Formats: sequence, C-alpha cells, structure tokens
Amino acid sequence: GAVVSQHPSRVICKSGTSVKIECRSLDFQATTMFWYRQFPKQSLMLMATSNEGSKATYEQGVEKDKFLINHASLTLSTLTVTSAHPEDSSFYICSAYSGGAERNTEAFFGQGTRLTVV
Amino acid sequence: DAKTTQPPSMDCAEGRAANLPCNHSTISGNEYVYWYRQIHSQGPQYIIHGLKNNETNEMASLIITEDRKSSTLILPHATLRDTAVYYCILHFSGGYNKLIFGAGTRLAVHP
Repeated sequence: GAVVSQHPSRVICKSGTSVKIECRSLDFQATTMFWYRQFPKQSLMLMATSNEGSKATYEQGVEKDKFLINHASLTLSTLTVTSAHPEDSSFYICSAYSGGAERNTEAFFGQGTRLTVV
Repeated sequence: DAKTTQPPSMDCAEGRAANLPCNHSTISGNEYVYWYRQIHSQGPQYIIHGLKNNETNEMASLIITEDRKSSTLILPHATLRDTAVYYCILHFSGGYNKLIFGAGTRLAVHP
C-alpha cells in the first residue's frame, strides 16, 4: 500500500522553542493531508486539513498561529508547533489519501511523532 | 458525518474469532462504513470498508446489516498482534474527506 512517513518519530524540546514535524507521501502525490493530535488514552483529534499550494483549514479551537502548516509540494506537509509549552506535549499524526479525489478509498497514516516539551 | 457507537473494550482468546460491533443508526445513503485500527504508539491502519454488501479481505470481514444501521468487523483468527484500538468511521468515499475518530473499541487478545 501507499506509504506516509513522518519525521522525527520522537522529539524533546525546551519550552518556548519551535518544533517542525514533516509528513511525506513516499510513493504518491497528496494534494491534501490531515494533521491529528492524540493525548494519552484518548482518540485522535483532527487539527487541520493541509492543502497543497493554499492555506490550511483549521478545526474549531485549534490556534492557527500556534500550529503552522505548510504544504509546499505534492509530497510534503509540515506542522510547526511554535513557542511550545508542556501542554503541547502529545502524539502528532498525519494522513493522506492516495490516488485522485475520485478514486480514494482509504487514508494512509504516518507512524506519528511524539513531542515532549520540557 | 454521522456518528458511530462502539463498546469501549472487548477481550478475545488467541485463535478465536473477534467480532467487533458498531452502531450507526443515522447513517446516510451514501456514507460508507470504514474500519481502522491503531496499535499502541503507531499511526492508524486501514482495515476494510463497505457500503451495503458484506466485504472480505486478507485482514478481516465486514458484515453490514440490511438496514445499514449497524455493522460487525470480524477478525477470523485473532492473534496477539491484533491487540489494538479499532475505530468504526462513517464517511463519503471519493473526495478528500476528513476522518473523524470516535473513542473506538480497545480489543485485547490474550493467550
């Protein structure tokens, strides 16, 4: 199946710094990618929809100035957590559909990035 | 997207069939039933999906009731590696539809 890769898989950063997480579609082009956040023992919460060449669409309650999303190419979306604080510590996951909009059947997910802010 | 209801947890003996139910009484006519699972500390993995006919692939079978108000995911011979959280999600196939995850069912397969 299609492969979505995230990097890094784990990151520890100091409070107040920014962290960038990359999401790549390795064997297909993805005009749309999705970013999720997951706290321990909770389900995935959709943060935003990343659109290649245009602004991301954020879900209600997600601060767009804190979680910067850039989707500059058809195979790469990045999520930057700006001025990170301990409460931003979480598991961040991206996903994408392969194929064209008329053909997508299932979403492929990255392996996730565990962010710890100290 | 319509909402789904799943039991929070289930147990299954290794080698036996695991039957995971999902209720979706408000499903609309063109919404598909999708199943994903998430093994601990990994990204979710697609399992199977269907509209109204039963479906089977190498991982599982999906049984959808005739009125489409509920479905069951069947893992025919559960192994320890099937221990995971299983999510039943409704959405429209085609188009870049966002997936909204509910709480899912935590399946524990024991020896």
